[in-house]
Amino acid sequence: EAGVAQSPRYKIIEKRQSVAFWCNPISGHATLYWYQQILGQGPKLLIQFQNNGVVDDSQLPKDRFSAERLKGVDSTLKIQPAKLEDSAVYLCASSLGGTFVNEQFFGPGTRLTVL
Amino acid sequence: SQQGEEDPQALSIQEGENATMNCSYKTSINNLQWYRQNSGRGLVHLILIRSNEREKHSGRLRVTLDTSKKSSSLLITASRAADTASYFCASTDSSYKLIFGSGTRLLVRP
Repeated sequence: EAGVAQSPRYKIIEKRQSVAFWCNPISGHATLYWYQQILGQGPKLLIQFQNNGVVDDSQLPKDRFSAERLKGVDSTLKIQPAKLEDSAVYLCASSLGGTFVNEQFFGPGTRLTVL
Repeated sequence: SQQGEEDPQALSIQEGENATMNCSYKTSINNLQWYRQNSGRGLVHLILIRSNEREKHSGRLRVTLDTSKKSSSLLITASRAADTASYFCASTDSSYKLIFGSGTRLLVRP
């Protein structure tokens, strides 16, 4: 079974530039998550989708971050404009969803460096 | 702020020894999960323990949960060099959102 795919794996940009990350979840997984993991810390949930609807985006800095999940499959996370403190690994995860908590499957992540 | 806090932050042991990591959380939970992260395989789910369970085993892993103390522990027995990784606990509350701790970095020396 193919895992969660993410691209690019690495990205280096200057502050105030824009960047976008792409995620393709495991086939059939209704729930998709984007996490931010700063070096030395655990992942922090940014946004959760159930199919193509947003379930939780309470920790998404909406003034600069946006995310969408068209057709309930792939998702993109965008940062515009980027700040130095956005340097982190951005992880995408997916799960079966439903009313019970399921195991989340994580992609390899995109390491973002903002100079 | 993150709910779970792991202890110790870093642990170095010899291959074959047991490794114990502890996790504390702040609010009531539905379940608690442990994940492993290394550069080779990314973040991988290890085991889930529900709030009404006290102990769970999976291979060389043993997890305990004490809801009265709001704490959990992960024991890895007969450690191997391949167990070298960061280990995170992640709790879920009534909103079923995963909240990760800060992790324990485990080094298993051959």
